Amino acid sequence: QVQMVQSGAEVKKPGASVKVSCKASGYTFTDYYVHWVRQAPGQGLEWMGWINPNSGGTNYAQKFQGWVTMTRDTSISTVYMELSRLRSDDTAVYYCARERSRNYHDSSDAFDIWGQGTMVTV
Amino acid sequence: QSVLTQPPSVSAAPGQKVTISCSGSSSNIGINYVSWYQQLPGTAPKLLIYENNKRPSRIPDRFSGSKSGTSATLGITGLQTGDEADYYCGTWDSSLSAVVFGGGTKLTAL
Repeated sequence: QVQMVQSGAEVKKPGASVKVSCKASGYTFTDYYVHWVRQAPGQGLEWMGWINPNSGGTNYAQKFQGWVTMTRDTSISTVYMELSRLRSDDTAVYYCARERSRNYHDSSDAFDIWGQGTMVTV
Repeated sequence: QSVLTQPPSVSAAPGQKVTISCSGSSSNIGINYVSWYQQLPGTAPKLLIYENNKRPSRIPDRFSGSKSGTSATLGITGLQTGDEADYYCGTWDSSLSAVVFGGGTKLTAL
């Protein structure tokens, strides 16, 4: 079964950092890009960036550059998203999502598998 | 303020057809694929439509997508109470170099 399982809820103080994990299973981890999307309470979806699990290459949304770090550990098929200098308006559910196409990256491709979400409260 | 514009809410009676619009520009919908997601309350988004009008195998053909110029539309026929959810359109914006989403549309089955 293809799935992405995220780490549990976090409560952080302003100025702290948070690191959320997303473990992939049921498919070849290095074949698909992984994106991070967040959703503030009662709000819409906001894209944060992607990571190529094969090379470790990343592309962050301009808003998050210098502030977010996405990494991966291929030995355990897990990607991480770390957000630093947290503020109260970073309170949101953070999702990891797999890009649909295998071994091919298209910026406008859809996200076909989503993690269950991780609530981060600042 | 979302880059893509969706109506905040739509409603229809069970069994009827409903459409949800998504308006963008020449730097996003005009030149890139559009996808649609369904988000049931308290759950993660689920992919409904990719590449403007294609459905993943598990999605029933009651759901359809189309694109014309800088706008896209999600159609749902035979509306069911279980379709009550928030729906989001998304695409790549080549000027912003970012994935952008609509603000979401809340669907109510009256």
